[in-house]
Amino acid sequence: DAGITQSPRHKVTETGTPVTLRCHQTENHRYMYWYRQDPGHGLRLIHYSYGVKDTDKGEVSDGYSVSRSKTEDFLLTLESATSSQTSVYFCAISEGRGSYEQYFGPGTRLTVT
Amino acid sequence: QKEVEQDPGPLSVPEGAIVSLNCTYSNSAFQYFMWYRQYSRKGPELLMYTYSSGNKEDGRFTAQVDKSSKYISLFIRDSQPSDSATYLCASGGVASKIIFGSGTRLSIRP
Repeated sequence: DAGITQSPRHKVTETGTPVTLRCHQTENHRYMYWYRQDPGHGLRLIHYSYGVKDTDKGEVSDGYSVSRSKTEDFLLTLESATSSQTSVYFCAISEGRGSYEQYFGPGTRLTVT
Repeated sequence: QKEVEQDPGPLSVPEGAIVSLNCTYSNSAFQYFMWYRQYSRKGPELLMYTYSSGNKEDGRFTAQVDKSSKYISLFIRDSQPSDSATYLCASGGVASKIIFGSGTRLSIRP
């Protein structure tokens, strides 16, 4: 998985609790992304980062926030988890602005009960 | 209408068959076209990409883009059981975000 790790790999949490997912890369790539993958919807972009402390929203950003204090780490926080946020979350990285060549992490399976 | 549409399948073919996977897209500004392969419970991996129209071949895999009809195809020759996976098409413009299709689940029967 191209030097990308995600933690935790599995998590079960209760509605209303905050949750933080971590993505760590060893490739020194500038761009990092958070996606969610749901049946029938494919991969949808939540947030992305184009540098330390530089982030922007994707198409499904409501209820999520991100932070990037170091090149290698990109955190995704669910401020108050809801059942609709039950999903598989993937982190991805890319070198350049074109972003067509993205490398994905192994995913985090999150269940909100 | 989704910007990238893909038939979810599942598609099941016998080993050795030629597989054709297809997507359509709606945004005329898209210039990059990608195919990702995703094995069960794994992250997607980039299989092939093309820029603008035309064909690109890599071993048993051929990617084809027809911009006039906004049609993206992936052909797999001499399919193997190890090709069983979900295949995601994706498109994007220059310096823009990638839009993924929902994926087609492919099964190759030995």
